[in-house]
Amino acid sequence: DGGITQSPKYLFRKEGQNVTLSCEQNLNHDAMYWYRQDPGQGLRLIYYSQIVNDFQKGDIAEGYSVSREKKESFPLTVTSAQKNPTAFYLCASSIGSASGSKNEQYFGPGTRLTVT
Amino acid sequence: DAKTTQPPSMDCAEGRAANLPCNHSTISGNEYVYWYRQIHSQGPQYIIHGLKNNETNEMASLIITEDRKSSTLILPHATLRDTAVYYCIVRVGGGGADGLTFGKGTHLIIQP
Repeated sequence: DGGITQSPKYLFRKEGQNVTLSCEQNLNHDAMYWYRQDPGQGLRLIYYSQIVNDFQKGDIAEGYSVSREKKESFPLTVTSAQKNPTAFYLCASSIGSASGSKNEQYFGPGTRLTVT
Repeated sequence: DAKTTQPPSMDCAEGRAANLPCNHSTISGNEYVYWYRQIHSQGPQYIIHGLKNNETNEMASLIITEDRKSSTLILPHATLRDTAVYYCIVRVGGGGADGLTFGKGTHLIIQP
């Protein structure tokens, strides 16, 4: 099946530890994204990548880091510098700028991170 | 991207049409209206998008006013599985490959 996978679904960490969230896609999409969602709120963009080996900060990049070494993978590291890391994290991908007006984003199932 | 305004919640009876409004009075001429929905604890799902003409697909219809300052998403025969948060997003068509800006959306509750 084609799609986006995120693992694990639930993740628990102690404060002060870095943690890396996995995101893999087999849709052959150029663009990938990371969003954060807090209870009762919409999604906020953390980082995005339009092509391999390139990525840009979104609206709330502080305390996070990413890499894009392969087209199908876009891992997100939540560092100890992130002041309030407990949230629901969603990864998405899209064909990219060549897709015309639709440029639909496909989302993964999300990872719920709890830091205590 | 232009700002959108949606009611925080709406109810609809199962089998009836659900009409979800969105105001986007500052929309620019090259900006499209996109709708996504998010079922509880899942990732959002694309529904439909349009520029100025009304659009219809297998999931929904999108009605955009002539002045493009507002739009309505219509789910013609709502089912319990349509209970979700619906997001109206305005952005330049395609938008390159930058991210989407989500507001709080409308929580649509389908009543049996």
